[in-house]
Amino acid sequence: QQPVQSPQAVILREGEDAVINCSSSKALYSVHWYRQKHGEAPVFLMILLKGGEQKGHEKISASFNEKKQQSSLYLTASQLSYSGTYFCGTMNRDDKIIFGKGTRLHILP
Amino acid sequence: KAGVTQTPRYLIKTRGQQVTLSCSPISGHRSVSWYQQTPGQGLQFLFEYFSETQRNKGNFPGRFSGRQFSNSRSEMNVSTLELGDSALYLCASSIDRNLYEQYFGPGTRLTVT
Repeated sequence: QQPVQSPQAVILREGEDAVINCSSSKALYSVHWYRQKHGEAPVFLMILLKGGEQKGHEKISASFNEKKQQSSLYLTASQLSYSGTYFCGTMNRDDKIIFGKGTRLHILP
Repeated sequence: KAGVTQTPRYLIKTRGQQVTLSCSPISGHRSVSWYQQTPGQGLQFLFEYFSETQRNKGNFPGRFSGRQFSNSRSEMNVSTLELGDSALYLCASSIDRNLYEQYFGPGTRLTVT
């Protein structure tokens, strides 16, 4: 079951904050976030595990609500380099990572 | 460290033909996953290979198949191509399965005419 991402697209000015949501109809074991810039391959942002552990490499934060089967990605003080399409991938008991359709983020100077 | 490489980068095929795409993972990575990306559909999971075994498969018809070799290199094959198979096919590798970050290759752009 493909997770649902919202919003589908958002336009911000540099310095503004954004929240991207990801929800699943199934119980989640982990949530994976990636960003893809136009014409490039997706790049890993972070993994959130059931139980609260996070693994990430960038100054972007996220939350994982296991009960609600939801995750949110928080982009604070957005920079031009944050522009791109953000994908959440969810993994449940069937051990597959299924990605949502993506959220397009455009940052204006 | 070299990244994930995919060959060819671009491919044009005719309906009914078959195609084989190749993926070389980062050295030391044992898990390889394949995704189909089309506008508006995001990344659709095709299959995952680990230690030469298919561990998971997405909801694609049997025309889509793959394999992994002992050196972790992977190939995917699509037989009897349809117009709807036109897409960017991405391969991703990771050190181990699922709970590790995936490194994506640049993709193979397949156009079916």
